[in-house]
Amino acid sequence: EPEVTQTPSHQVTQMGQEVILRCVPISNHLYFYWYRQILGQKVEFLVSFYNNEISEKSEIFDDQFSVERPDGSNFTLKIRSTKLEDSAMYFCASSDGAGAPTDTQYFGPGTRLTVL
Amino acid sequence: GNSVTQMEGPVTLSEEAFLTINCTYTATGYPSLFWYVQYPGEGLQLLLKATKADDKGSNKGFEATYRKETTSFHLEKGSVQVSDSAVYFCAPRQTGRRALTFGSGTRLQVQP
Repeated sequence: EPEVTQTPSHQVTQMGQEVILRCVPISNHLYFYWYRQILGQKVEFLVSFYNNEISEKSEIFDDQFSVERPDGSNFTLKIRSTKLEDSAMYFCASSDGAGAPTDTQYFGPGTRLTVL
Repeated sequence: GNSVTQMEGPVTLSEEAFLTINCTYTATGYPSLFWYVQYPGEGLQLLLKATKADDKGSNKGFEATYRKETTSFHLEKGSVQVSDSAVYFCAPRQTGRRALTFGSGTRLQVQP
């Protein structure tokens, strides 16, 4: 069964450093998403991406964040200058857009980001 | 905007007990409603969904009915198993938006 994959599973970085989190969405999907979950808190939406542009973003997704689909298979989240409060589990998701808005978002296993 | 209220956990049950996890939401229009499950060490998986009033979503013995009059989408299962131990998230999606709004999650622990 196709699945969303994410790398790395755990990333440790120093405050102020740039990080790139990588995702490979399901191959025929058209919509891509990033969510995050700070330890002990809710899963929060960051951004959705369609047709090579951001289609929706939350107030969390400020100019420190960017997303890119650099090729036909990868989808990345970049944090330019990490802060302690960026420590969280980051989930990538994708959906095929069929029957939207009821299409299902399929989630990856997550990348745990630890900012020291 | 959307908000979701989920019953707090952990919920601890014995095997074969009946499960209810309450979820109520606020949203404009007619949101689509989802339950996701997160097993230990894994990502979020869709458990079931309902897209219009009075729809019932079901999967793996779990059910939830879209109740517009009470803005609720309670998750039920008649007989839980140890393998159902996980964290369950209620997640409405507002009409016209892509973002899911997740509840705080309810941890279920099923004891043999």
